[in-house]
Amino acid sequence: GAGVSQSPSNKVTEKGKDVELRCDPISGHTALYWYRQSLGQGLEFLIYFQGNSAPDKSGLPSDRFSAERTGGSVSTLTIQRTQQEDSAVYLCASSLGAASLYNEQFFGPGTRLTVL
Amino acid sequence: GEDVEQSLFLSVREGDSSVINCTYTDSSSTYLYWYKQEPGAGLQLLTYIFSNMDMKQDQRLTVLLNKKDKHLSLRIADTQTGDSAIYFCAESKSGGFKTIFGAGTRLFVKA
Repeated sequence: GAGVSQSPSNKVTEKGKDVELRCDPISGHTALYWYRQSLGQGLEFLIYFQGNSAPDKSGLPSDRFSAERTGGSVSTLTIQRTQQEDSAVYLCASSLGAASLYNEQFFGPGTRLTVL
Repeated sequence: GEDVEQSLFLSVREGDSSVINCTYTDSSSTYLYWYKQEPGAGLQLLTYIFSNMDMKQDQRLTVLLNKKDKHLSLRIADTQTGDSAIYFCAESKSGGFKTIFGAGTRLFVKA
């Protein structure tokens, strides 16, 4: 079956503009995650969704960042009034969630965001 | 708090063994993972180990866990140029959804 897909693969925007990044998880996966990967900074957790529970937003760096997951499937990460420090690769992952004891996450290829 | 640390770079010659090390702070971690990220791609699970195990072997990969010292290592035997990638150590709790990742170790394999 299809893996996790993300769009766009690359996004170049001007400082101050809003951007939306999309993630299509693997069908049947109840958990969905967003991470940010900056050069030399490793993988930074942003937010995760699990079924119908309230999302864990503890990793969002500022109120300019928000995410939605509609119908328990597709998710959109929105960054408002982008800043140059938002430039990074944004990775989405999904997992079986409660259906599995260990939490193997399946990652998409990422969206590379460049803020000029 | 939860923290996972690993060195940033490792360089080995083709055919040698690679050993990538990781330390974690959360003693209640139940599962520990090694993920691999190739250029331009997302992370892919290589292997995982349950916290009541000391060792796990899978073909060229050997995972060693020292729970007392909270130290995890990944040994790659007969390292090939195709093993060049970033390797991430991670931990989670049983039934938990939040996984904490290290910063990743970039493995360079010289021909």
